[in-house]
Amino acid sequence: SSELTQPPSVSVSPGQTARITCSGDALPQQYVSWYQQKPGQAPLLAIYRDSERPSGIPERFSGSSSGTTVTLTISGVQAEDEADYYCQSADSSGSYWVFGGGTKLTVL
Amino acid sequence: QVQLVQSGAEVKKPGASVKVSCKASGYTFMSHGITWVRQAPGQGLEWMGWISVYNSKTNYAQKHQDRVTMTTDTSTNTAYMELRSLRFDDTAVYYCGRVGAADFMSEYWGQGTLVTVSS
Repeated sequence: SSELTQPPSVSVSPGQTARITCSGDALPQQYVSWYQQKPGQAPLLAIYRDSERPSGIPERFSGSSSGTTVTLTISGVQAEDEADYYCQSADSSGSYWVFGGGTKLTVL
Repeated sequence: QVQLVQSGAEVKKPGASVKVSCKASGYTFMSHGITWVRQAPGQGLEWMGWISVYNSKTNYAQKHQDRVTMTTDTSTNTAYMELRSLRFDDTAVYYCGRVGAADFMSEYWGQGTLVTVSS
């Protein structure tokens, strides 16, 4: 599994749409998960298998994939969505996991 | 409900070892692996490895494979992560997570354990 590249920061106003990208050469062959992490808290799984949403995650969170880039989209951003977001993937045997460097989402 | 409860904060000297525990409840322990991730102060998430509770097979990140050992105790539903020869840059919050049933990701996490390496 190769490295994953995320933008360090994304800023949006409340109600707008935030898009956070994650790029990696191996992503066409691997699923990506997205985690939300607020200060002092453990990560929270927001999306898995590129676009699946765990129960309890608001519908405004969605994921998509195109080639070597996976995108987390948050529609109608709310103040409570301000957090760090990390993408993560693994090779097919699970022997190698990798996290992206993280993106700080700021709600203006 | 699924819960992972980790042991408390530790302060260690350089060169020492630390063993962090992660007690699972609310699910069949042997049905899911346990992964360990750490986060240095102000930094991102770093994967350390994972262990299959079913057969005790481990996969360690290459960076840590010489110093880390992950084990489980199925009699107490507890996973352990031991890190040896501690260095100052091992200071971090260490998280355990339950590996997905069919995916290499984690939906459930422990609360984190702060390990401080200080002389």
